[in-house]
Amino acid sequence: DVKVTQSSRYLVKRTGEKVFLECVQDMDHENMFWYRQDPGLGLRLIYFSYDVKMKEKGDIPEGYSVSREKKERFSLILESASTNQTSMYLCASSLRLAAEQYFGPGTRLTVT
Amino acid sequence: GENVEQHPSTLSVQEGDSAVIKCTYSDSASNYFPWYKQELGKRPQLIIDIRSNVGEKKDQRIAVTLNKTAKHFSLHITETQPEDSAVYFCAASIGGGADGLTFGKGTHLIIQP
Repeated sequence: DVKVTQSSRYLVKRTGEKVFLECVQDMDHENMFWYRQDPGLGLRLIYFSYDVKMKEKGDIPEGYSVSREKKERFSLILESASTNQTSMYLCASSLRLAAEQYFGPGTRLTVT
Repeated sequence: GENVEQHPSTLSVQEGDSAVIKCTYSDSASNYFPWYKQELGKRPQLIIDIRSNVGEKKDQRIAVTLNKTAKHFSLHITETQPEDSAVYFCAASIGGGADGLTFGKGTHLIIQP
């Protein structure tokens, strides 16, 4: 069974803080993804990584960066959190790019 | 980049009836089209997917059809049951290229008893 875990289920941060969201998968998957989910907007891809130390911008990368130092771990970084980054953040992994993505439980981030 | 439109945003059907959700995509290079189901408070899970070399795929009560010429694909659920109530997302991907999935905005399917 594929397991994707995220470091926090709920997080409250202040405007301007640096925020780290961590994601770990245990299936040796090559690809990892970060999405944000907002009501009425679906899932929007922020960044993805197809190999260690490799990253690609998704549809909405502004205000975010990522880090993948190890195959199993993919971090999303909000350099200076803003209120418009309040959202549900979902991490996912897949064996191949055009294949089933396995999602983590999500982190609900509130920026005040 | 790719753009995926999904309709309707909300769909209410009587238990036992069929439900159809439709999506269109913009990039003719897209060749992988998955559908995800997200129950309330849970993570999205893949229910079915189709690749561009196939026109239709079925798995028990669910089926997906793809029309590459028109750039649209649809999810069909027959004999709907209460446990089908959820939000459904379609998505598209260029596949072998270095891109991720582009999702539609979702359809909230409500099964009326």
